This record gives sequence, C-alpha cells and structure tokens, in this order.
Amino acid sequence: QVHLVESGGGVVQPGQSLRLSCAASAFTFSNHGMHWVRQAPGKGLEWVAVVSSSGRVQYYADSVKGRFTISRDNSRSTLSLQMNSLRLEDTAVYYCTKEGGAGSGSYLSFDLWGQGTRVTVSS
Amino acid sequence: EIVLTQSPTTLSLSPGERATLSCRASQSVSSHLAWYQQKSGQAPRLLIYGASNRATGIPARFSGGGSGTDFTLTISSLEFDDSAVYYCQHRDDWPPGATFGGGTKLEI
Repeated sequence: QVHLVESGGGVVQPGQSLRLSCAASAFTFSNHGMHWVRQAPGKGLEWVAVVSSSGRVQYYADSVKGRFTISRDNSRSTLSLQMNSLRLEDTAVYYCTKEGGAGSGSYLSFDLWGQGTRVTVSS
Repeated sequence: EIVLTQSPTTLSLSPGERATLSCRASQSVSSHLAWYQQKSGQAPRLLIYGASNRATGIPARFSGGGSGTDFTLTISSLEFDDSAVYYCQHRDDWPPGATFGGGTKLEI
C-alpha cells in the first residue's frame, strides 16, 4: 500500500529551527514531484514548497521563501523540509504530498497525502 | 497570482439530496482544477482532477464540471459520511506552486 509518513514536528520558540521528514513507500518516489502543504489551526490549506522529481528544481511560497528549504533523497525515498527562523504564523500541521503521475493526467494535483506532522511555534 | 473563491462557505443538506459546490478562479485556469475532501482530523483526499476526472476509488456520486474560471463539484444522493470540508486547487506547469480555495464546509 502506498504511503507517506511525516515526522519531525514539535514545539519550538520563535526564531528556532526544525526539520521535517517524509518517508515514502510502495511507489517509485523518483518519478514524482513532491510538495509540502500546511494547515494552520482551524484554517484552510496553504501550499508551502515543491521539489521536482530529480531534486534539481525547488519553488516556495512567498511566506516561507528564504527561511525554508525543501530537499529530497531519491535513494532513500525521503522528502525533507528544513525550517529556519520560525515564526508564530508557521504554526500548522504540515502535510507531505505527491504529485499525480504524468501519464495519468493528474500530475497537476496531489493524489497521495501523509497524515501530517504538527509544528507549534510558541514563546 | 490566481485566486480561487469557493461558495458557499457552509452548506447544510439532508441525506439523499444533491450538493453543488462552486469554485471560481480569478483568471482562466483551463481545466487545471482539482477537488479534495477533508474530514475532521484527517488529511485531504483527492476526489477530482482535471476538472472532471474522478480519482481512483472515488464513487460515481462525485462529479466535477466546468472550465476556464467557473467550476462545480456535485455530490448526488448525499450520505452522512460526506460531511467534510471540500477544497478546490489549481496548479500549472510553471510556476509549479499550488493555490487552494478557502473551502466549503458540507454538513449532512
């Protein structure tokens, strides 16, 4: 069964750092672009960052640009999000999500989501 | 930047009725629109991609339509289990970032 499992969330103070990880299984990880999407408490979904299937291209939401870094290790089927200079407004559940396959026509959508990992930034 | 506006914010219906949810884009997104269902305490689940294509395992009660700037998600013959928040989403090849609508809460 295909799976995405996030880890690394926790409680940190403003200005501190945190690194999230996402372990993928049961699909060819290196064939898919991967994204992080977050959801603040009681709010909607907010896209955060994407890394291309090869890892060579990254793109970020303006709200995290310069503070967050997305990366992947295709040999280990893992996705990471390094979060520096955390702010109160970064408090959210962070989801790892997979682009649909290009052949299926669903590559512009997200066909698999992890269960999420909670990040709380609090003083 | 494309903005997706969903309406209504909340929709209350009874089992067996039909729900029609709307998503309007600030400019044309062609058919590059997806719909997700998020139940309380769970991750989102892909329902519809490419505006009208059901994702794997999604019942035929769920259907999507529209193109350009106006899209709808229709759920026929509602069940209690359909209670959730529904989001629309757009993404292009470049820039590769995604945009989500604000969501519609469906209460059955």
